[in-house]
Amino acid sequence: NAGVTQTPKFQVLKTGQSMTLQCAQDMNHNSMYWYRQDPGMGLRLIYYSASEGTTDKGEVPNGYNVSRLNKREFSLRLESAAPSQTSVYFCASSVRGQGYFNEKLFFGSGTQLSVL
Amino acid sequence: TQLLEQSPQFLSIQEGENLTVYCNSSSVFSSLQWYRQEPGEGPVLLVTVVTGGEVKKLKRLTFQFGDARKDSSLHITAAQPGDTGLYLCAGALTYNTNAGKSTFGDGTTLTVKP
Repeated sequence: NAGVTQTPKFQVLKTGQSMTLQCAQDMNHNSMYWYRQDPGMGLRLIYYSASEGTTDKGEVPNGYNVSRLNKREFSLRLESAAPSQTSVYFCASSVRGQGYFNEKLFFGSGTQLSVL
Repeated sequence: TQLLEQSPQFLSIQEGENLTVYCNSSSVFSSLQWYRQEPGEGPVLLVTVVTGGEVKKLKRLTFQFGDARKDSSLHITAAQPGDTGLYLCAGALTYNTNAGKSTFGDGTTLTVKP
């Protein structure tokens, strides 16, 4: 049981290049999320998918696009990378249990992206 | 402006010492979660608190939710090197907020020296 798997682990891009970050979960979770983590700024939500077939913008969506390919996979695409997108990117998934507060986020191990 | 302010930002202590880290806001949260993140890994959920004044214990870690549900603290007793990591708090503003849409604080980096 791998949990949430992100690829690649590290990536270096030149300004203007494009790339897709991949995320897959094997826990049959409905909801999936993409975050970026910058020093001193915590985790900021980029996009999320509450269920298969739906996606919505989070706090910082500009410069990114997402695809919920199926229930397992949620990818994040940078169409034209900029130095401001240098960050660590995390994918997460969750499922609601009984009650409002019985929900747990499971995170991948992250992708460290540098845009030169 | 960060909705959740964590303090201190950095903390370095010797093994065996006690410590407290704080998560403060001017907003009321319906629930608050604490995570620990080790270098090169994603955050891992430690606890969720939902009731004002609630105290939860997880071995040597004690979590408290403020009476007004605007703040929380994490107290570690007899810290060990394995406690080293980034501690994040995350708050949900409404009862229906998905955990993934919670507001995250900017974290406290704890280093416990042997």
